[in-house]
Amino acid sequence: NAGVTQTPKFRVLKTGQSMTLLCAQDMNHEYMYWYRQDPGMGLRLIHYSVGEGTTAKGEVPDGYNVSRLKKQNFLLGLESAAPSQTSVYFCASSGGRVGPYNEQFFGPGTRLTVL
Amino acid sequence: AQTVTQSQPEMSVQEAETVTLSCTYDTSESDYYLFWYKQPPSRQMILVIRQEAYKQQNATENRFSVNFQKAAKSFSLKISDSQLGDAAMYFCAYRSTTGTASKLTFGTGTRLQVTL
Repeated sequence: NAGVTQTPKFRVLKTGQSMTLLCAQDMNHEYMYWYRQDPGMGLRLIHYSVGEGTTAKGEVPDGYNVSRLKKQNFLLGLESAAPSQTSVYFCASSGGRVGPYNEQFFGPGTRLTVL
Repeated sequence: AQTVTQSQPEMSVQEAETVTLSCTYDTSESDYYLFWYKQPPSRQMILVIRQEAYKQQNATENRFSVNFQKAAKSFSLKISDSQLGDAAMYFCAYRSTTGTASKLTFGTGTRLQVTL
């Protein structure tokens, strides 16, 4: 049981390049999330999904797109990377049940640098 | 929208001593959940403790406990008998009980150093 995995762990892009971050979970969770973490800013929600085929915007969605074609995968895309998107990206998933024990499980993070 | 504030960017504690990390939040809701997450240098986010707002009793998990003051909208984390392995970033987080998606709102974090 791997939990939540993220690919890749590190990436360096040049301004204007595109890339896709892959998140996979093997816990059959309904909900999945993408966050970014910047120094002094905590974690901020980019996009999320409440089930296969659904996506929604979070707090900081601009410059990113997402897709949830399979329940276990949640992809985060950067179409034209900008230096402001240099950050650590975290994926998380949760079971979708009501209650405090419906906790989010986090992946190990992807450190992205845009030059 | 809810906001979470952690006013202590850094804290330091000696091994075996007790330290309290502060968190305040702003919400108009009466029922919600609060969490403390630990992020060690490995970057992995680890849930430390959770509190249900409708429960007056403060949550405890071994050496970790909270002081939940609902009227003051305060949710502090107390770490007793601090250990070197407690050194990490600690994030306070809020989750509404309404709506979909169980979204978390995080504070900006407190970096805890543990010294010998």
